[in-house]
Amino acid sequence: DTEVTQTPKHLVMGMTNKKSLKCEQHMGHRAMYWYKQKAKKPPELMFVYSYEKLSINESVPSRFSPECPNSSLLNLHLHALQPEDSALYLCASSQDRRSNQPQHFGDGTRLSIL
Amino acid sequence: AQTVTQSQPEMSVQEAETVTLSCTYDTSESDYYLFWYKQPPSRQMILVIRQEAYKQQNATENRFSVNFQKAAKSFSLKISDSQLGDAAMYFCAYSETSGSRLTFGEGTQLTVNP
Repeated sequence: DTEVTQTPKHLVMGMTNKKSLKCEQHMGHRAMYWYKQKAKKPPELMFVYSYEKLSINESVPSRFSPECPNSSLLNLHLHALQPEDSALYLCASSQDRRSNQPQHFGDGTRLSIL
Repeated sequence: AQTVTQSQPEMSVQEAETVTLSCTYDTSESDYYLFWYKQPPSRQMILVIRQEAYKQQNATENRFSVNFQKAAKSFSLKISDSQLGDAAMYFCAYSETSGSRLTFGEGTQLTVNP
């Protein structure tokens, strides 16, 4: 069982749709992350939140909009996505941003853009 | 910039035998952290083992152990008494002490044959 919960597990959307991915953790972690992973490739970091503030944005296109409403929740709002955005989106959390604290990952959301 | 190299895209092992996955990295830092993550078809990235560069002793977690050679910048993972459930993609990852960014290798797909 994962301690980081992501919903939905699968999402199919058109290029004009607006949807959101959700991530929740109840481990008291204060750092949360979004990654994008293409098939048979390593995850690529997109965003890092530390104490509910955005601390890293890896030059992600504005059609991806992260939000951290509180210390347990992380959202990724999607709008006007492109077919190349189809991927597995992984959420992770860690106790804080210090790198000796391992990141715990969720099961991911498999996103398909039509 | 740091890089992580996994030179074995695919490996296979017989059940109950031992297999070693290779990982090398490049960094100018003297202190950092190294991780092995496992990603089975269920998609969740699971932390297998981690090593702190300032510790000379190799990390061990049950059937999993590492051979950390700091001078050679090598961090291999040994899986003993391989089980069918060990079949997965294994990612080696590097992190600096000053931040939370994980640099992943390209991964090694491990197959366990019965």
